[in-house]
This record gives sequence, C-alpha cells and structure tokens, in this order.
Amino acid sequence: QVQLVESGGGVVQPGGSLRLSCAASGFTFSSSGMHWVRQAPGKGLDWVAFITYDGSKKYYGDSVKGRATVSRDNSRRTVVLEMSSLKPEDTALYYCAKDGLYGDYEGDWGQGTLVTVSS
Amino acid sequence: EIVMTQSPATLSVSPGERATLSCRASQSVSSNLAWYQQKPGQAPRLLIYGASTRATGIPARFSGSGSGTEFTLTISSLQSEDFAVYYCHQYNNWPFIFGPGTKVDVK
Repeated sequence: QVQLVESGGGVVQPGGSLRLSCAASGFTFSSSGMHWVRQAPGKGLDWVAFITYDGSKKYYGDSVKGRATVSRDNSRRTVVLEMSSLKPEDTALYYCAKDGLYGDYEGDWGQGTLVTVSS
Repeated sequence: EIVMTQSPATLSVSPGERATLSCRASQSVSSNLAWYQQKPGQAPRLLIYGASTRATGIPARFSGSGSGTEFTLTISSLQSEDFAVYYCHQYNNWPFIFGPGTKVDVK
C-alpha cells in the first residue's frame, strides 16, 4: 500500500531555512506527481507546492512563492521541500501527498512533519 | 488566484440526519474539485474527486455534485464517524486552493 513518510521538521529561527523530505513506497514513484500541503495549528489546509512525475514542472502557492523549492530524486523515491526566510506564520504540520489516479488532486497523504518557527 | 468559499462554517447535525455542505469557486474550476475529510490528529482523507466520483473505499452515503463554480457534498445519513471537518479543493488552476472548511458536529 502507499506509504509516505515525512521527516526534517523541528524548531527553526525566524529568517532561517528548512529542508523537509518525504520517503515514498508502495507505488510507482517515478510516475507520480507529488504535493506538499501544510496546516497551521488549529487552521485549515494550505496548498504549498507540486512537482510533476519527472521533475520538469513545479508549482507553488502564493504564501511560499519565491521562498520554496520542491525537488525529487526518483532513484531514491524521495521528494524534498526547501524553504528559506522562514516566518512565524510558516509554523505548521507539513504533509506530502501523492497525486490521484485520475488527476492532480492529492490522493494519498503522509502523517506530516511539524515545523515550528520561533526564536 | 481562485478563491474558494465553504458554507456553513459549522453544521450541527443529529446522527442519522442528512448533511449538505456547499463549496463555491470564484471562477470556474470545471469538475476539477475534490472533497476531503479530516478528523482531529489525522491527515486529510480523500472522499470525492472529479466533483462527483467517490474515492476507493468511501461509503455510498457520501455523494458530490456540481460543476463550474458551485459544488455540494451530501452525507445522506450521518454516522458517528462522519463528524469531522470537510474541505473542498480546486485542482483546475495553479495555484491549487483549499476552501476554509466546514466543521460537522453533533447537534
């Protein structure tokens, strides 16, 4: 079955950077687009980024555009989200998700990794 | 950027009753609309994609309808496990956007 395991969360100072990873298993990773979605404590879902199956196209949400970079390594079945110039409002649980069988919606989700931006 | 709105923000329903949740997009998203259910401490779960197609394993009491800018998620007879927050999500245009959510709680 699909498994997505995020890692790399922790406490980061404002202005700092983070690197989150998502390890995938149970499906053909090299054929799947991958998303990052975040959720601030007690708040709704905020779509962050998407990378196509081959890494040729990348899209970003307005809240992170210019500060985020998504990448993938199909040989290692891993997708990475890097963010810089972090702000307290970037504090959230960051989920990675696999695209759906019939479209670019988020079909399967990991359990998330928590990022706290605080001094 | 497309703006997604959901109504009501909170819906209080008794078990066994019908629940109707609405989602509106500021411009057409065709049928590229998904619904997710999220319970406390859990990741979101895909319920509906393509506005009306149930995801694998989703009970038939969940149904989606609509196209363009107006969408509805209906839960025909609420079960105890259905009390949760529900999000609509457009995946027609970049950037993708989630609605703010509707919380379904016990009346």
